[in-house]
Amino acid sequence: EAQVTQNPRYLITVTGKKLTVTCSQNMNHEYMSWYRQDPGLGLRQIYYSMNVEVTDKGDVPEGYKVSRKEKRNFPLILESPSPNQTSLYFCASSTNRGLRQNEQYFGPGTRLTVT
Amino acid sequence: QQQVKQSPQSLIVQKGGISIINCAYENTAFDYFPWYQQFPGKGPALLIAIRPDVSEKKEGRFTISFNKSAKQFSLHIMDSQPGDSATYFCAAESTGRRALTFGSGTRLQVQP
Repeated sequence: EAQVTQNPRYLITVTGKKLTVTCSQNMNHEYMSWYRQDPGLGLRQIYYSMNVEVTDKGDVPEGYKVSRKEKRNFPLILESPSPNQTSLYFCASSTNRGLRQNEQYFGPGTRLTVT
Repeated sequence: QQQVKQSPQSLIVQKGGISIINCAYENTAFDYFPWYQQFPGKGPALLIAIRPDVSEKKEGRFTISFNKSAKQFSLHIMDSQPGDSATYFCAAESTGRRALTFGSGTRLQVQP
């Protein structure tokens, strides 16, 4: 089954404790992206990657890091989480080619609470 | 600065009625306009999308109307069903940059 998986699905942590949210896709997609969803703000893009070793900032990159060492994985790293990073996070992927480029497939989400 | 403005925030429609959600954008570089549907506890899923070379696209009960000169686009759900109850997001993207910008979402409730 074609899918985007995220782990963990739920996470409660404390301020300053480094954490990583993993994202993996099995569709051989070149493009991957991270979003955060907050009430009344929709989804906002954090970082995206056009392909392996190619990453770029989205609209709200402060406080986050990403890496793209393998095509299927795109982890999101919070080096020193703060309460304002409490949010629902989504990973997404799509191909960069042909008519189906731009169609992003989303993972199930990771709900993060930073106390 | 919100580049894609969506309205209304919430919408209640009777079964069989028409649901209409509107979006307006500012960036003329946008060339791809999708609508995503999100059910509680799930990630958004692509519902329907349009490119600015056409003014309308229909897929089943779902239609996008696009007005390039006004920089507006809307989603129409015909014969709305209780199973359509979800949050709908419009979005816009410039293919060159591949950064999807979302509207703030509309929570649709279809009453039986």
